[in-house]
Amino acid sequence: GAGVSQSPSNKVTEKGKDVELRCDPISGHTALYWYRQSLGQGLEFLIYFQGNSAPDKSGLPSDRFSAERTGGSVSTLTIQRTQQEDSAVYLCASSLDQGGYGYTFGSGTRLTVV
Amino acid sequence: DQQVKQNSPSLSVQEGRISILNCDYTNSMFDYFLWYKKYPAEGPTFLISISSIKDKNEDGRFTVFLNKSAKHLSLHIVPSQPGDSAVYFCAASAIRGGADGLTFGKGTHLIIQP
Repeated sequence: GAGVSQSPSNKVTEKGKDVELRCDPISGHTALYWYRQSLGQGLEFLIYFQGNSAPDKSGLPSDRFSAERTGGSVSTLTIQRTQQEDSAVYLCASSLDQGGYGYTFGSGTRLTVV
Repeated sequence: DQQVKQNSPSLSVQEGRISILNCDYTNSMFDYFLWYKKYPAEGPTFLISISSIKDKNEDGRFTVFLNKSAKHLSLHIVPSQPGDSAVYFCAASAIRGGADGLTFGKGTHLIIQP
């Protein structure tokens, strides 16, 4: 596609429920990144995929968070048993390679846990 | 422990004047620095970058200055225009992009007044 597409754009969920956030990167971009921005904070790096592989998952905030990427394209970020502190904007970015300024960000998913 | 700091949450500048946004970092391993611009409800967009081998990089109205000894960088916008009103994020990397992602500051909200 023309840009990085994220869905849903907004999600309100009850505490304890599971949520799945989707990222559709720019076609041909091999690198994919997930970040989150909590209120009043900068962007926090979560995880990076090169193709379908995530070499380091230590940036994920807890074991309730998981991410996968299939076919070198779409990625999903899953949060199990959501907590109120998970409320944030979750941003996905992709790039042709792992170059820093090749990032194109999506518009994000605003997650609110009530 | 914030490795990238933007100490001014907001900055107001008159249209036509120079806007100077500042950023400090603590990690001496950072060698690549970027500025992103973000409008509400949109993802950040890449603005300009600088490698640690340089002390200045210019692109049109935007210039980034790097002072490695002071671990300080700044973004100059001149002349400032109404469309420049946005949140500006400073970001840094030890490797250009890479599996560790980028470390972002909390952002500075630039307001250009007519």
